[in-house]
Amino acid sequence: NAGVTQTPKFQVLKTGQSMTLQCAQDMNHNSMYWYRQDPGMGLRLIYYSASEGTTDKGEVPNGYNVSRLNKREFSLRLESAAPSQTSVYFCASSDNRGSLRAEAFFGQGTRLTVV
Amino acid sequence: DAKTTQPPSMDCAEGRAANLPCNHSTISGNEYVYWYRQIHSQGPQYIIHGLKNNETNEMASLIITEDRKSSTLILPHATLRDTAVYYCIVRVSTPRRAGNMLTFGGGTRLMVKP
Repeated sequence: NAGVTQTPKFQVLKTGQSMTLQCAQDMNHNSMYWYRQDPGMGLRLIYYSASEGTTDKGEVPNGYNVSRLNKREFSLRLESAAPSQTSVYFCASSDNRGSLRAEAFFGQGTRLTVV
Repeated sequence: DAKTTQPPSMDCAEGRAANLPCNHSTISGNEYVYWYRQIHSQGPQYIIHGLKNNETNEMASLIITEDRKSSTLILPHATLRDTAVYYCIVRVSTPRRAGNMLTFGGGTRLMVKP
């Protein structure tokens, strides 16, 4: 049981390049999330997907797009990377279909540097 | 979701109880208190959550005041591996709320010392 798996773990991009961060969960969760964390700060929500087929903006969506490919996978795309997007990106998932616990499980993060 | 206030940092001696406070004076009746921690830039890890009763699990205890305006996370016997940033989060936990996303503040950086 891998939980939430993110790829890649590290990435360096040049300004203007594009890339897609991949996230997959094997817990049959219906909701998935993308957060970013800048140095010394808390996590901020970029986009989320409450269920397969739906996506919504979070607190800081500008410069990003997402795709909920299927129930397992939720990808985050940077179309034209900027230095301000240098951050650690975390994917998370949770099951909100009736569990009062509804804890979120996080991946280990993708460390992205844009030069 | 209600806003939370936590001290930015705390120290605790190894083997002693760590008591981490959180104020959430604007909490609503249907909002839960959640605690997560983040060890050395890893992904955050769920610890515990509660509504109004005190809760205990294998990791920690959560004490919520009767008026629910504040809470305390207790690590009964802190170890060096408990050194982390602890986040107190208040949110509604209903199955149909879209996303049930978490809003993270700055958290409390707990340093457990030998």
